[in-house]
Amino acid sequence: AQRVTQPEKLLSVFKGAPVELKCNYSYSGSPELFWYVQYSRQRLQLLLRHISRESIKGFTADLNKGETSFHLKKPFAQEEDSAMYYCALRNAGNMLTFGGGTRLMVKP
Amino acid sequence: GAGVSQSPSNKVTEKGKDVELRCDPISGHTALYWYRQSLGQGLEFLIYFQGNSAPDKSGLPSDRFSAERTGGSVSTLTIQRTQQEDSAVYLCASSLGAGVRYEQYFGPGTRLTVT
Repeated sequence: AQRVTQPEKLLSVFKGAPVELKCNYSYSGSPELFWYVQYSRQRLQLLLRHISRESIKGFTADLNKGETSFHLKKPFAQEEDSAMYYCALRNAGNMLTFGGGTRLMVKP
Repeated sequence: GAGVSQSPSNKVTEKGKDVELRCDPISGHTALYWYRQSLGQGLEFLIYFQGNSAPDKSGLPSDRFSAERTGGSVSTLTIQRTQQEDSAVYLCASSLGAGVRYEQYFGPGTRLTVT
């Protein structure tokens, strides 16, 4: 069975501080991992996917198969980064399994 | 272009009543997904439609839940004999195709409250 775990329900940092949102997964196959973000009163949207190895809005995430992790990082947090972040794993059936989500609060 | 739309945006119903939730995917998207976002369970997959294939119903929590997709476009999620634990935000998503390179676009959700 596949599982995605986000150990922190809430992460609070000051503007300009580094931020790391943790995500661990369990999956027997080759994982396809994503980070989704939901800003206040907006719909859920894709932030980045591991296969693209891209940086979006200053965020990056590296898949570590040895540690089964896909942590989301940003070196300098901005107030507009405050949102709910979900790590998700996509299985062969194309549906997404989401973690419980982490609320990021960036304080001025 | 227009994104995924869902209706109604809010639904309050009495325990035991049936409800229907509607999803209009992005035009041309062959894949459609239903998820549920609840306080206790987070975001969980319910059902997936891809083209004309039989839907993947593996996430439906009970036989009170069913969904159909007519003409490969609009989808309706039906919950019969609603229970208080069905209270949640029901999200619909669509993608151009199946596979990891096709992004899932989410609708705004329908907030269901069962009293």
